[in-house]
Amino acid sequence: DGGITQSPKYLFRKEGQNVTLSCEQNLNHDAMYWYRQDPGQGLRLIYYSQIVNDFQKGDIAEGYSVSREKKESFPLTVTSAQKNPTAFYLCASRDSQGRNTIYFGEGSWLTVV
Amino acid sequence: EDQVTQSPEALRLQEGESSSLNCSYTVSGLRGLFWYRQDPGKGPEFLFTLYSAGEEKEKERLKATLTKKESFLHITAPKPEDSATYLCAVRETSGSRLTFGEGTQLTVNP
Repeated sequence: DGGITQSPKYLFRKEGQNVTLSCEQNLNHDAMYWYRQDPGQGLRLIYYSQIVNDFQKGDIAEGYSVSREKKESFPLTVTSAQKNPTAFYLCASRDSQGRNTIYFGEGSWLTVV
Repeated sequence: EDQVTQSPEALRLQEGESSSLNCSYTVSGLRGLFWYRQDPGKGPEFLFTLYSAGEEKEKERLKATLTKKESFLHITAPKPEDSATYLCAVRETSGSRLTFGEGTQLTVNP
């Protein structure tokens, strides 16, 4: 099955620890994205990558880091510098051919305890 | 800066009671307006893309329309399973990113 896989679904982190969220896609999409969603709110862009070995900051990049070493993978690290990391994190990828639609994974819940 | 405003924030309907959700947008040049459905705890599910004013798309009980300043998502004779948050997003011609509105939470009571 083609799609976007995020893992883990649920993650608990102690304050002061870094944590990495995985995002893998087998859709052969060039562009990938990370969004953050807080309860009852819309999606805010953290980072995006249009091609391997290149990425750009979104609107709320502070306290986060990414890498794009392979076309299929776009991991997000939530660092201890992120003040309020508890949120729902969504990874997405874009079909740059044809319809240019952005498709989402199922999300990862991060809770800081 | 792109802006997307959705209204109402929440909408409660009786089964069979048709209504519309609104998405107003401001972009320097529209490359696409997207509608998504999101169920609680899940990722957004793609519904429609609209590219130019006057365009319409339909899927089952949903119909999306687009003008130069706003888009409507019309829901005809909704069922309880249509209950979800509906998200609108825009992509401008010069960029790769989507800018989202805050969504409309739709509840359809049986």
